[in-house]
Amino acid sequence: GIQVEQSPPDLILQEGANSTLRCNFSDSVNNLQWFHQNPWGQLINLFYIPSGTKQNGRLSATTVATERYSLLYISSSQTTDSGVYFCAVGRRNAGNMLTFGGGTRLMVKP
Amino acid sequence: GAGVSQSPSNKVTEKGKDVELRCDPISGHTALYWYRQSLGQGLEFLIYFQGNSAPDKSGLPSDRFSAERTGGSVSTLTIQRTQQEDSAVYLCASSLDRGVEKLFFGSGTQLSVL
Repeated sequence: GIQVEQSPPDLILQEGANSTLRCNFSDSVNNLQWFHQNPWGQLINLFYIPSGTKQNGRLSATTVATERYSLLYISSSQTTDSGVYFCAVGRRNAGNMLTFGGGTRLMVKP
Repeated sequence: GAGVSQSPSNKVTEKGKDVELRCDPISGHTALYWYRQSLGQGLEFLIYFQGNSAPDKSGLPSDRFSAERTGGSVSTLTIQRTQQEDSAVYLCASSLDRGVEKLFFGSGTQLSVL
């Protein structure tokens, strides 16, 4: 199956700082999504981004499918950004199920 | 409904008992997934339903695990003869179509096997 690696595994930021989270995957995909799991465990879908760049407020994401990686940018971080960020990928000819990376655990300090 | 609904939110059971976990997906969503998340870990795929097609059961860890989806809507995940290693958060998700739409998750069921 597809391997998904996320880096860094842990990240501590001061409020207001910017950060970049990376997701590498081992095979071609036609589905890539970024999720935020808040401290209460709820998973929120941030982006559906199999290729290209999207922005939503202080968050943006870029996927370079030909090079098998995606980046999630967080600008002007806030304490509410704390939690775990997951990248998940899938392929139509592999059953469509999403394979999740191990996540990046982010803590934003006030 | 407005979002994916799972019940119960918490379940404590004794080793060897059977449990049923329920998922009610977003109205109109044809794809439904079950994932499992152990403490501090990522998400492990269990099973996937799409419309009336045969489910993809490739992620079920043993034959003690089964799931069904009635009428293309509500799904039940059943774990028979629970073991302590089954303790985890069981997450259900739905999407509008076959793997090409955003996935929306429920709040999960925290299962504790004593």
